[in-house]
Amino acid sequence: GENVEQHPSTLSVQEGDSAVIKCTYSDSASNYFPWYKQELGKRPQLIIDIRSNVGEKKDQRIAVTLNKTAKHFSLHITETQPEDSAVYFCAASTSRVYSGGGADGLTFGKGTHLIIQP
Amino acid sequence: NAGVTQTPKFQVLKTGQSMTLQCAQDMNHNSMYWYRQDPGMGLRLIYYSASEGTTDKGEVPNGYNVSRLNKREFSLRLESAAPSQTSVYFCASSPGKRRLSTDTQYFGPGTRLTVL
Repeated sequence: GENVEQHPSTLSVQEGDSAVIKCTYSDSASNYFPWYKQELGKRPQLIIDIRSNVGEKKDQRIAVTLNKTAKHFSLHITETQPEDSAVYFCAASTSRVYSGGGADGLTFGKGTHLIIQP
Repeated sequence: NAGVTQTPKFQVLKTGQSMTLQCAQDMNHNSMYWYRQDPGMGLRLIYYSASEGTTDKGEVPNGYNVSRLNKREFSLRLESAAPSQTSVYFCASSPGKRRLSTDTQYFGPGTRLTVL
């Protein structure tokens, strides 16, 4: 099945600076890569996603880049603000069907705790 | 639209007790999911349902059963709770019908379960 590695586990940046979170995946068949933001005690919420036919996607201060050859994708947050403080999860999804069943669909990284210092 | 709702929000069980976590969505989505979230582990898929009457195992299905009662509701049952099942449980849904949909998943608020 798919394996997603996420780095760093904790990231502290000054307010106004940029933050970058990186993920790698193992299954070359993966073709959908969402990013979720989770505030303390709340549910994960989708902030941006990218599909494998696109190399980059931007939404205001947030961007995601995808390198299918290297099997890695990254989240970029510019001009960070205090409300950006949260845990961020990357995930990868494949459309491959495994004969033995098992863990398909979204596989999540272990999360990055982003801290914005005032 | 309430989106995805879950009950209860909190639950404390003793080892060996059983309980059912309820999940419902009002977005007319076909696919529904149960995840568990443990510190430092991210979210791990327990079970998945692509449509009413169908379910599939995820990464960590042992100790759990599920029922897709109708299109709206997907329940998770712990028959004999163990301390290792202490976790936060999230239900999610997505529009797609395929088992391995690449649609966006929308999460419920979670159930915090403690097994003593």
